[in-house]
Amino acid sequence: GNSVTQMEGPVTLSEEAFLTINCTYTATGYPSLFWYVQYPGEGLQLLLKATKADDKGSNKGFEATYRKETTSFHLEKGSVQVSDSAVYFCALSGLPNFGNEKLTFGTGTRLTIIP
Amino acid sequence: SQTIHQWPATLVQPVGSPLSLECTVEGTSNPNLYWYRQAAGRGLQLLFYSVGIGQISSEVPQNLSASRPQDRQFILSSKKLLLSDSGFYLCAWSVRGQANQPQHFGDGTRLSIL
Repeated sequence: GNSVTQMEGPVTLSEEAFLTINCTYTATGYPSLFWYVQYPGEGLQLLLKATKADDKGSNKGFEATYRKETTSFHLEKGSVQVSDSAVYFCALSGLPNFGNEKLTFGTGTRLTIIP
Repeated sequence: SQTIHQWPATLVQPVGSPLSLECTVEGTSNPNLYWYRQAAGRGLQLLFYSVGIGQISSEVPQNLSASRPQDRQFILSSKKLLLSDSGFYLCAWSVRGQANQPQHFGDGTRLSIL
């Protein structure tokens, strides 16, 4: 079955540092890949997505490239801010199966940015 | 635009009491609907999903149940809460019948069992 492996946290960085959160996946077919962000006390927000190999999703300075050859979708940001402190989830989706489209989530990576 | 509402935002209940959490979606028709639970500091656990009115699939056996009385309404219930039911409950929706669609989440309900 499908699975997502995320780098274990917590991750603590100084403001303006470069961020990478690793995500690798196992899936059949051609899944779409997503990054979600969860700020304290809130639900999950879709941060970015990529639907096919070599696609780059980007939003709010974050980027991730769908690498089929390495089955990876690493999240990067060139210069993090304190406001980026949150939990980040990598997820994948597949083709619909009788109308059901479940996502497979990673376990989440807690990111803390210190001023 | 589509919106998803969950309520209440927080809830404190004694062990053995009943539970009803409600989720509604606006601005779309025939969505897939999902209930997740997130224990403190943990990842997401899919509890139930629904592809239509009255159609509920359970992912994890437990003392919770779900119902979908209307197309855009999804309810999570329990007859008798356990201490282990504490957590952050999230409702989500996605477009039905289309490949590779993201899920969109509500703001969650924080449930504390005393």
